[in-house]
Amino acid sequence: GQQLNQSPQSMFIQEGEDVSMNCTSSSIFNTWLWYKQDPGEGPVLLIALYKAGELTSNGRLTAQFGITRKDSFLNISASIPSDVGIYFCAGSDYTGTASKLTFGTGTRLQVTL
Amino acid sequence: KAGVTQTPRYLIKTRGQQVTLSCSPISGHRSVSWYQQTPGQGLQFLFEYFSETQRNKGNFPGRFSGRQFSNSRSEMNVSTLELGDSALYLCASSLEIGAKYFGPGTRLTVL
Repeated sequence: GQQLNQSPQSMFIQEGEDVSMNCTSSSIFNTWLWYKQDPGEGPVLLIALYKAGELTSNGRLTAQFGITRKDSFLNISASIPSDVGIYFCAGSDYTGTASKLTFGTGTRLQVTL
Repeated sequence: KAGVTQTPRYLIKTRGQQVTLSCSPISGHRSVSWYQQTPGQGLQFLFEYFSETQRNKGNFPGRFSGRQFSNSRSEMNVSTLELGDSALYLCASSLEIGAKYFGPGTRLTVL
């Protein structure tokens, strides 16, 4: 099945550092979502973006909906140990009668103290 | 509001058996979607239900089916289980459009 290109695939960072990850698609989406997943659990919604160019923050997290509608970025500032997990982007192509999410390949974030 | 709930959380079956998984959406959400997550394929869309009607389907064989009840609760069924069906099955609920909220998943192991 289709997956979006997400990078980096994994990253080790030190506590307190800023993190950036991005997601690209060959298709246009009208909604971009960012999720975090802990082992054995379902993805938890972090940020939802609904307009091209939109920049939205949620605490230390900031995400942007790319102007081309084919990409999105997530930044985490001042990382802490509980940021450890896998981050997924997802694009939604709501057509007016149906919607589904196409997910990225995930970015595994590991924080060293 | 209570979140999305899924039952059971863990399930072990043998090849050839069938299984039914259950999902209760967030109160007021009428859209329920199902996703399969495996290490090799990642998160893949199975199907979406809205007001008891399937309105979108992913590329999975007909062994995978689902339904939605009038109270928006949903079930998915997998018949004639294969080893490759071992996965985390996730249910997500939403309003008609917009952000989707996931449940904790059902971990299915096929032996």
